Parts: sequence; C-alpha cells; structure tokens
Amino acid sequence: EPEVTQTPSHQVTQMGQEVILRCVPISNHLYFYWYRQILGQKVEFLVSFYNNEISEKSEIFDDQFSVERPDGSNFTLKIRSTKLEDSAMYFCASTGGSNTGELFFGEGSRLTVL
Amino acid sequence: GENVEQHPSTLSVQEGDSAVIKCTYSDSASNYFPWYKQELGKGPQLIIDIRSNVGEKKDQRIAVTLNKTAKHFSLHITETQPEDSAVYFCAASKGGGADGLTFGKGTHLIIQP
Repeated sequence: EPEVTQTPSHQVTQMGQEVILRCVPISNHLYFYWYRQILGQKVEFLVSFYNNEISEKSEIFDDQFSVERPDGSNFTLKIRSTKLEDSAMYFCASTGGSNTGELFFGEGSRLTVL
Repeated sequence: GENVEQHPSTLSVQEGDSAVIKCTYSDSASNYFPWYKQELGKGPQLIIDIRSNVGEKKDQRIAVTLNKTAKHFSLHITETQPEDSAVYFCAASKGGGADGLTFGKGTHLIIQP
C-alpha cells in the first residue's frame, strides 16, 4: 500500500540552527501539506503546496519557514533558525485532489530544539 | 477562523462497550468533517468522514452523526476492541475536502480488557 514517508524520525538541534525535514508523498498525489503537533496539543495546519507553489499558509508559517519540492519526489520543510517553541512533531501529508477529502499522513518527524 | 472543540480528552471504556467522542465547530460554512485515528508512533489515518448534506454515516462498527443546526458531530464506536485504543481527532473544513482542515485536540481512547 502506498504511503507517505518522512525523515528523520527524530532530530535534536540547538536553538538557532537550521533544520530540514524531508517527506516523500504518495507518487501520484498532487497536493502536499505540512502540519505540526506540539506535545499534547491539536494538530495544526502549517502550509499547503500545489503545482510547485504555496497555495495556503497559516499564521504559524512565518518567514522562518519555507517549503520546497526540489525534485519529482521530495517535499521539504525548512526552519531557518529554530526556536525552543518549534519543538513539535511535524507531519507531512498528501492527497490526490484537494476535494477528495482523505489526507494521507506520514509517521511524523519529531523535532526537539534545545 | 474555524475553531473545533473536542471532548473528552481521555475516554476509558470496557472492551465490548460503546465509545462516543463529541466535537463542536464554530464556522457554519464548514461542510466536511473527517475523523482520524492516530496509533502510537504513527501518523493520523482517516477512518470515516461525513459531509454536510447527510446527518449520519456508518461503516461497520463506526458511525458519525452531524447536527448542522447545533454545529456538532460525534463519533460512535460500538463493540469496542483492544485495537481501537488510539488517539482520535475530529476535524472540519469549508472546502469540502483536505484544504483548510482544522483539527480538534484529540481524544485518547483506552479500551480496558
């Protein structure tokens, strides 16, 4: 069964460092998303990406964040200068069409900022 | 923006009993309401969804009800089994699909043997 894969599963970094989280969405999907989940909190939308550009972003997704689809398979989230409050589980998700409803999530990348 | 509230945060039921998780939403324009199940160490997975043109949907032991007037929707799991233990998230969106989903805080469902 096709699945969304994410790497790394866990990353520990020092405050101020740059972090890149990687995702390989399901191959025939067209819409890609990043969500985050701070421990014990709700899953929060960060950004959606379609046709090689951001289609929507939340207020959380400030200038420190960027996304890229560098090739035909990877979808990355970069945090330029990490802060303590960036510590969270980051989920990548994809869907074949924005109105099909079903988001397919990866297993998440846990980011710990010290 | 949309606000989704979910209750309870933790629910413990005996195996075989039913479990009900409730969510309310604030934006009357929301028209798509999925439920996701998150098992330990995994990403959320869609288990059932409902659109605003129906009031109830059932899939084997799982059902979802929607009350548009009251702006609330509920997940019902009957004949609970140990493998139902997980965190369940409700969500809502206006676009009819994955775009703009707002999630609730989640319910940790514990099935007692």
